[in-house]
Amino acid sequence: DQQVKQNSPSLSVQEGRISILNCDYTNSMFDYFLWYKKYPAEGPTFLISISSIKDKNEDGRFTVFLNKSAKHLSLHIVPSQPGDSAVYFCAAGSGAGSYQLTFGKGTKLSVIP
Amino acid sequence: SAVISQKPSRDICQRGTSLTIQCQVDSQVTMMFWYRQQPGQSLTLIATANQGSEATYESGFVIDKFPISRPNLTFSTLTVSNMSPEDSSIYLCSVDAGQNYNEQFFGPGTRLTVL
Repeated sequence: DQQVKQNSPSLSVQEGRISILNCDYTNSMFDYFLWYKKYPAEGPTFLISISSIKDKNEDGRFTVFLNKSAKHLSLHIVPSQPGDSAVYFCAAGSGAGSYQLTFGKGTKLSVIP
Repeated sequence: SAVISQKPSRDICQRGTSLTIQCQVDSQVTMMFWYRQQPGQSLTLIATANQGSEATYESGFVIDKFPISRPNLTFSTLTVSNMSPEDSSIYLCSVDAGQNYNEQFFGPGTRLTVL
């Protein structure tokens, strides 16, 4: 059973518009959430994270929102740029000192010039 | 940030053979991890490689199938033993970022195809 779900395999957005990538989780023990970006033939690179004690974290054009009651998080990219085209993975972890991350299957974002 | 390299970047292997994947980091790190990403699936943690001790395997993964070495703080290997087509995956190593216990840096991956 998937504990971290990204229900949209792909998303297309016009350059300059907002990209919203969604992620749902089922395990209430998760207390830390991360987004990774992956280009073809490269490993995932860390993008942004959020602790369960917060509901929003912002870093430049990237903002992650966490809704604990709905067990839902989203990544907003504003404005979207062609270089943002990549696969985005949502990941979750639990417990201080625990290194295990549970990943979603990823969403492929295409930003159209 | 850590720079991580993996060898080989890709390989095509015959059923029943074994392949050893190397992971090299440009700095000393405490924790190294091995992941598998099967086609169309998410990244799944295989094991945590600890320097000076046995690797810790996740449920569904065993040492006989995926033996791991961690001879020092900058290097690890993962062997995929007695391969079958179901082992065709991308194998990635990662290291802890050191700043936050959940953030990890990933290598570029090894794309394995088993015929």
